[in-house]
Amino acid sequence: EAGVVQSPRYKIIEKKQPVAFWCNPISGHNTLYWYLQNLGQGPELLIRYENEEAVDDSQLPKDRFSAERLKGVDSTLKIQPAELGDSAVYLCASSNGQGKETQYFGPGTRLLVL
Amino acid sequence: SQKIEQNSEALNIQEGKTATLTCNYTNYSPAYLQWYRQDPGRGPVFLLLIRENEKEKRKERLKVTFDTTLKQSLFHITASQPADSATYLCALPPLKGYNKLIFGAGTRLAVHP
Repeated sequence: EAGVVQSPRYKIIEKKQPVAFWCNPISGHNTLYWYLQNLGQGPELLIRYENEEAVDDSQLPKDRFSAERLKGVDSTLKIQPAELGDSAVYLCASSNGQGKETQYFGPGTRLLVL
Repeated sequence: SQKIEQNSEALNIQEGKTATLTCNYTNYSPAYLQWYRQDPGRGPVFLLLIRENEKEKRKERLKVTFDTTLKQSLFHITASQPADSATYLCALPPLKGYNKLIFGAGTRLAVHP
């Protein structure tokens, strides 16, 4: 079974530029999560999807961050414009949903904003 | 709001010894608690889940305890190996909501040969 796929693995951009991250969850997983992880910290939830619906986006800075999950499968997280403080690892995870608490993570995208 | 505390200092132990990592939480009683392993440059990997009605859970060389009175979970690795060196994260469901986890900052374990 293929795991969660993320791309790109690394991205270096200048501040004020846009950037997008892509995630393909494990096949059949209805729930998809985007997390932000700063160095030395645990993952922090940005947004959670149940199928194609964003059901928990309270931690997503909506002035510059946006996300979508087309057809309830792949998802894209976008930052526009990026700021220096956005430098972090962006992790995508998926799970089977209700009653299945385990989350499966992708390798993450390491973003550096200069 | 709920708070999760893991020892921020790295744990250094000798190969063959038992590593014990601590996760403390406050302000609520979670229905379960999970432990994940994270290697540098990789995403967390699920290890064990223990529910509030379980005192102890084992998987090969791993053992997790869950003390709901102390609001604490202990994570043990017996006969530790250098390959066990990683950061270990504990995670709990939030006070409200479902299908989501709140993660601790993790404890880095270094097993020396």
